[in-house]
Amino acid sequence: SQELEQSPQSLIVQEGKNLTINCTSSKTLYGLYWYKQKYGEGLIFLMMLQKGGEEKSHEKITAKLDEKKQQSSLHITASQPSHAGIYLCGADGAGKLIFGQGTTLQVKP
Amino acid sequence: DAGITQSPRYKITETGRQVTLMCHQTWSHSYMFWYRQDLGHGLRLIYYSAAADITDKGEVPDGYVVSRSKTENFPLTLESATRSQTSVYFCASTQGWNTEAFFGQGTRLTVV
Repeated sequence: SQELEQSPQSLIVQEGKNLTINCTSSKTLYGLYWYKQKYGEGLIFLMMLQKGGEEKSHEKITAKLDEKKQQSSLHITASQPSHAGIYLCGADGAGKLIFGQGTTLQVKP
Repeated sequence: DAGITQSPRYKITETGRQVTLMCHQTWSHSYMFWYRQDLGHGLRLIYYSAAADITDKGEVPDGYVVSRSKTENFPLTLESATRSQTSVYFCASTQGWNTEAFFGQGTRLTVV
């Protein structure tokens, strides 16, 4: 079965710094989602990538999909305290929507 | 109201009791999912359903039962709750492959 692995598992950055979170799949990616969450609360949809090489941006968050590497990256530019939370990547695996274990981001003011 | 709703939001139950978590969506989405979230594990898939009367096991199905007699409802039952089932449970729905999945607000279940 398909598995998604995120790295790093946790991250502490100073406000204003850039950061990258990676999501690697054990099988071919046909599409990938990024969600953000405060622990125990609902998930907020960030973006979905459907094609190899696709790149999408929303405010200061950019995500890319590298099909050949079976990997996606999420990049935050000039981080702010509002970016703190848990970032989860998800993918369709034969009708099942599966997720990585999450990356917890703390942003220090 | 349109959307996906879970009930109850919070539940405390005793070991050995049966408890049912409800999930209702108003979009007539084909796919519905149940996850549990625990520290360090992200979202783990318990069960999913591709349509009414079609359900399948996910990653961690033991101790759980689901049904889907109507497209809009997908209840999750813990037949005999154990402390290890203390968790936050999320329900989600999506129309199909590579379409946005919508999540409920979660049910925080504590088994004492």
